[in-house]
Amino acid sequence: GQSLEQPSEVTAVEGAIVQINCTYQTSGFYGLSWYQQHDGGAPTFLSYNALDGLEETGRFSSFLSRSDSYGYLLLQELQMKDSASYFCVPRQGGGNKLTFGTGTQLKVEL
Amino acid sequence: DAGVTQSPTHLIKTRGQQVTLRCSPKSGHDTVSWYQQALGQGPQFIFQYYEEEERQRGNFPDRFSGHQFPNYSSELNVNALLLGDSALYLCASSTPGTGGETQYFGPGTRLLVL
Repeated sequence: GQSLEQPSEVTAVEGAIVQINCTYQTSGFYGLSWYQQHDGGAPTFLSYNALDGLEETGRFSSFLSRSDSYGYLLLQELQMKDSASYFCVPRQGGGNKLTFGTGTQLKVEL
Repeated sequence: DAGVTQSPTHLIKTRGQQVTLRCSPKSGHDTVSWYQQALGQGPQFIFQYYEEEERQRGNFPDRFSGHQFPNYSSELNVNALLLGDSALYLCASSTPGTGGETQYFGPGTRLLVL
């Protein structure tokens, strides 16, 4: 089986830094992806961590600790357009199946 | 370079009817996955097609079936529609060579069952 924990909502102000945490329990863990989804839109791939450590892509960074079954997404210099749902998605086994949780709704305020 | 495309964008059906949704993967991708996303929930994996075969399946009844064509495009069929089938249906494409951790999603088809 699999379990995922993310905060359901996070609110931050424009220009700030926010961290969205994710803990998971899954068999056959390969790595952790992060997806962003705006209301009414399609999920968009942000990052993937196969190994422990930090991956940086512009304003977004993602971290993974396999021994702690923990990861986080760090968003810097928040912009209003970052208001969206963010999903941490463990990759299980060798297939391409993605198992999403309910995600974290990020609200960026002025 | 065209991304993932889906048709139709919106659809209204009544209970008991059947529906077919279509997906064309991103250029160069040969694997297509289908997801159902109910309001306020994350996408739920329905099944995945590769080389015209269903390779993996999620926890969905047999009313949900699919097909992949030689050009890698795919169809999702849902029979005997229920009110609870109302959702956004998303198609995602990927390539096995990348490990599949990166999937590109289409804009979705919003299905309303009355």
